[in-house]
Amino acid sequence: DIQMTQSPSSLSASVGDRVTITCRASQSISNYLNWYQQKPGKAPKLLIYAASSLQSGVPSRFSGSGSGTDFTLTISTLQPEDFATYFCQQSYGTSPSFGGGSKVEIK
Amino acid sequence: EVQLVESGGGLIQPGGSLRLSCAASGLTVSDNYMSWVRQGPGKGLEWVSVIYRDSGTSTNYADSVKGRFTISRDNSKNTLFLQMNTLRVEDSAVYYCARVQKRGAYGMDVWGPGTTVTVSS
Repeated sequence: DIQMTQSPSSLSASVGDRVTITCRASQSISNYLNWYQQKPGKAPKLLIYAASSLQSGVPSRFSGSGSGTDFTLTISTLQPEDFATYFCQQSYGTSPSFGGGSKVEIK
Repeated sequence: EVQLVESGGGLIQPGGSLRLSCAASGLTVSDNYMSWVRQGPGKGLEWVSVIYRDSGTSTNYADSVKGRFTISRDNSKNTLFLQMNTLRVEDSAVYYCARVQKRGAYGMDVWGPGTTVTVSS
């Protein structure tokens, strides 16, 4: 099975900051990598698919990059509504798996 | 509007069975790959199962539920199901159904609000 490791597991940031979250796969997954945002008590929301494609309706301050084993989610200018937990997910092969999550908190 | 709504969760004793439902509107379950994903209390997301589209009944399961859980669908009701047998305490979680997007890297783009399963004696 492919293991996904996210870092950091949590971070504190201020509105207007640039935030970067990384995700590493235990083997190459090409660009089969998706990013989700989850707020407390809510279902996850797809932000980025195929490593770098912005899902329809998602603000352009969100971006993704990477290929192979190393991936990055960047929020260019953090907004109040962006405080949430972010998960990466690989869909390479037949058994998808998620990273452990990165919680973005208010500094 | 595209919508998924889960139901069927509840409190169940270890070893018991439960059947979750996911009613779809605005999308056709049989035309899509559909998945179940769960989230234990205070934990991360765990993929559980997928059923593929078209006339076949091809499915796949996480090792943690293989042999105990069965995913299926009723095309006439446009509903996805998850039959959960021999439940364990560690199966306690919020269970989400989700559509797997047909483009790109198979991201899950439509989610239900979830239904809570608690396995406890």
